[in-house]
Amino acid sequence: DAKTTQPPSMDCAEGRAANLPCNHSTISGNEYVYWYRQIHSQGPQYIIHGLKNNETNEMASLIITEDRKSSTLILPHATLRDTAVYYCIVSYAGGTSYGKLTFGQGTILTVHP
Amino acid sequence: DAGVIQSPRHEVTEMGQEVTLRCKPISGHDYLFWYRQTMMRGLELLIYFNNNVPIDDSGMPEDRFSAKMPNASFSTLKIQPSEPRDSAVYFCASSLYSNTEAFFGQGTRLTVV
Repeated sequence: DAKTTQPPSMDCAEGRAANLPCNHSTISGNEYVYWYRQIHSQGPQYIIHGLKNNETNEMASLIITEDRKSSTLILPHATLRDTAVYYCIVSYAGGTSYGKLTFGQGTILTVHP
Repeated sequence: DAGVIQSPRHEVTEMGQEVTLRCKPISGHDYLFWYRQTMMRGLELLIYFNNNVPIDDSGMPEDRFSAKMPNASFSTLKIQPSEPRDSAVYFCASSLYSNTEAFFGQGTRLTVV
């Protein structure tokens, strides 16, 4: 699986958009980009995933560059409850060969009042 | 569905004792994963099952660790004998398909003294 690079920490004001970047320059054509987050003492929580098109759900938006070498997770209106570690993961997810979700160190997002 | 259920939530045991962690995946999910989280190594995938069959156990640290999935609704992770370095939070997760979101349980915090 391709390696990802994320900033170790970011801050965001409550109510503002949080934009979390991720670099995955060695991503291959059949690898998806996944985002998970982990709030203190809880299990990781799925946020969103995509292959090459931008994706949006009730939690966030995922913007993937055209060359697929980087992506940005956008939390449109961050709240204090969004304070967590955010993991960007690249993984193959085709057929019966499940790609491992390999968690890196992630980005610690702190939302402040 | 109540989500992925793990038991116990906390376990304290003495070095050399056998420890069994339990997991009930979400009904209908075909994939089940066991992860371990420590401060030093982060989140590591230990093993995963597809339709009750172990697919990849390359993350299992050593022979002291074993995992079973006797049916679609139950899995165990056993450590025998346990050692202090096994102290960690162990997460179980399940997913419907290989390219969908994985749902994590609340974890079992294991302390080996």
